[in-house]
Amino acid sequence: DAGVIQSPRHEVTEMGQEVTLRCKPISGHNSLFWYRQTMMRGLELLIYFNNNVPIDDSGMPEDRFSAKMPNASFSTLKIQPSEPRDSAVYFCASSPRTTRNEQFFGPGTRLTVL
Amino acid sequence: GQQVMQIPQYQHVQEGEDFTTYCNSSTTLSNIQWYKQRPGGHPVFLIQLVKSGEVKKQKRLTFQFGEAKKNSSLHITATQTTDVGTYFCAGPGQAGTALIFGKGTTLSVSS
Repeated sequence: DAGVIQSPRHEVTEMGQEVTLRCKPISGHNSLFWYRQTMMRGLELLIYFNNNVPIDDSGMPEDRFSAKMPNASFSTLKIQPSEPRDSAVYFCASSPRTTRNEQFFGPGTRLTVL
Repeated sequence: GQQVMQIPQYQHVQEGEDFTTYCNSSTTLSNIQWYKQRPGGHPVFLIQLVKSGEVKKQKRLTFQFGEAKKNSSLHITATQTTDVGTYFCAGPGQAGTALIFGKGTTLSVSS
């Protein structure tokens, strides 16, 4: 079975540009999570969805960040406009329909904003 | 707010030495999970502990959940170069299914 799929794997953009990161969770998983990882701040939860509904977006840094999950097999994280401090690795993870809450992470998108 | 702390932040060992990382939560946890992230990779689930005082082993790795369910430890016996990476503990947040991750312990091993 395919794991969590993220695209692109690498993104280099200039400050002010719009960036869209994409995620396809594991089929049948009902929870989806977006994380940001940096050396300074570690692994931060940005937002998570349960059954395609955003449950907690308190980790979204500011209004420049938005996330959607239009269906059970696709989610996007958008940054508009991007800034150099947004440079990080962004992970998407999904969790199965259990109470164990084990999360399966995608390979991540390494974002560099110049 | 709820916090999950890990120590040490970094640890370097010689191959064959033992290694331990400790995890402490500011609140009682219903369960605790451990993940490993290899350099350049993504976090991978290792194990979940649920019961107070629970101890689980995976080959050379021993995981323990404290009696008060507020702390946990991961011990690696006789480290190997394949053990290199960052080990994270994570506990459920008060909001439901979301996990709160510690900042991790990065292990390096020299042969």
